[in-house]
Amino acid sequence: GAVVSQHPSWVICKSGTSVKIECRSLDFQATTMFWYRQFPKQSLMLMATSNEGSKATYEQGVEKDKFLINHASLTLSTLTVTSAHPEDSSFYICSARQSSGSSYNEQFFGPGTRLTVL
Amino acid sequence: AQSVTQLGSHVSVSEGALVLLRCNYSSSVPPYLFWYVQYPNQGLQLLLKYTSAATLVKGINGFEAEFKKSETSFHLTKPSAHMSDAAEYFCAVSGSQAGTALIFGKGTTLSVSS
Repeated sequence: GAVVSQHPSWVICKSGTSVKIECRSLDFQATTMFWYRQFPKQSLMLMATSNEGSKATYEQGVEKDKFLINHASLTLSTLTVTSAHPEDSSFYICSARQSSGSSYNEQFFGPGTRLTVL
Repeated sequence: AQSVTQLGSHVSVSEGALVLLRCNYSSSVPPYLFWYVQYPNQGLQLLLKYTSAATLVKGINGFEAEFKKSETSFHLTKPSAHMSDAAEYFCAVSGSQAGTALIFGKGTTLSVSS
């Protein structure tokens, strides 16, 4: 149980295009999902906290107009990188916090999405 | 505010040797502490977590960690390293409040030689 999926697992796009990454909790409901960014051989940096049915809370320095987050249901959050540029190339990882049950408040991580912007 | 410091960005051990990965935390509230492992191009897998119950926490794959409040530490250990333990390890802290995000350390790369 407690599986989180991300789609796509990797994507290559041209500069100026937009890319949508999906994060799904497959067997549990997640009121809160988190989006992280990881540069090569570095740690995960929290980008934003996504709560179902409300606006995401972005960390300082993260452009909310560039990284659009939507959490329309208890099992799906999406991150859209708008007008992507090469500096947006990174590994994006989501996590979902279980809303109830024995693993309440534990976060489960998706496998990540490798974005390369040419 | 919360933060995590992982001492040593790279640790090398021989197969069968003790593994010790160090983590110190700073937190203004009672912390929840976690150790995650990440293999190349994959997401994070939870090894173990401390949530204010027993101070010695046992996790998967033979790993364990001890919460020491007086030292603000949560070091990860394994008595005998295996080649498959080679990976990136992250220590993380969060508050106990619901919905609190994880704050990660910079990670420690564990190399295991035969």
